[in-house]
Amino acid sequence: AQSVAQPEDQVNVAEGNPLTVKCTYSVSGNPYLFWYVQYPNRGLQFLLKYITGDNLVKGSYGFEAEFNKSQTSFHLKKPSALVSDSALYFCAVTKGGGSARQLTFGSGTQLTVLP
Amino acid sequence: NAGVTQTPKFQVLKTGQSMTLQCAQDMNHNSMYWYRQDPGMGLRLIYYSASEGTTDKGEVPNGYNVSRLNKREFSLRLESAAPSQTSVYFCASSETQAREKLFFGSGTQLSVL
Repeated sequence: AQSVAQPEDQVNVAEGNPLTVKCTYSVSGNPYLFWYVQYPNRGLQFLLKYITGDNLVKGSYGFEAEFNKSQTSFHLKKPSALVSDSALYFCAVTKGGGSARQLTFGSGTQLTVLP
Repeated sequence: NAGVTQTPKFQVLKTGQSMTLQCAQDMNHNSMYWYRQDPGMGLRLIYYSASEGTTDKGEVPNGYNVSRLNKREFSLRLESAAPSQTSVYFCASSETQAREKLFFGSGTQLSVL
């Protein structure tokens, strides 16, 4: 069975500092990995995905994520945090070749960027 | 460009009551999904529809039914609501079932008393 772990329920960072939201996964074979963001009272919005190729994936709003196969991780990063980045972030995985209905979501990490 | 529209946004039910959550997308997507979101548990798939005319169970289908009314609309019905169904429900769509990104509605907050 596939799974996703987001080890931190809450991450606080000062505005202007770099931020990292952690994600580790377990899946048979090669993974397809996703990050979604949820702002208050809104649905999830797609940020970025890793399917294959370059291990560093760039996405929306200046976010990027690094795929590390040996550590089975897909951490979300941003060089300089904004207060407007405060939101709930979800990592998701499916096995390579899998379909959207097979996505497994993590439990989410609440990011708070302090002014 | 509305994207995925869900109604209602909020609903309070008494145990045993029934209701239908409505979802419509205007992106001409083939696949649609219903998820529930519970604190500390991420999103769990209730039902999905790979294409118009088909529906299948997801991870947590018990107590729910769905109807893919046409390509645009995918409704979720609770026949006899239970307190365990208190949750936030999200409808989503994707162009196909392949490794496509999902587009989500803004959610329905349901409380069952």
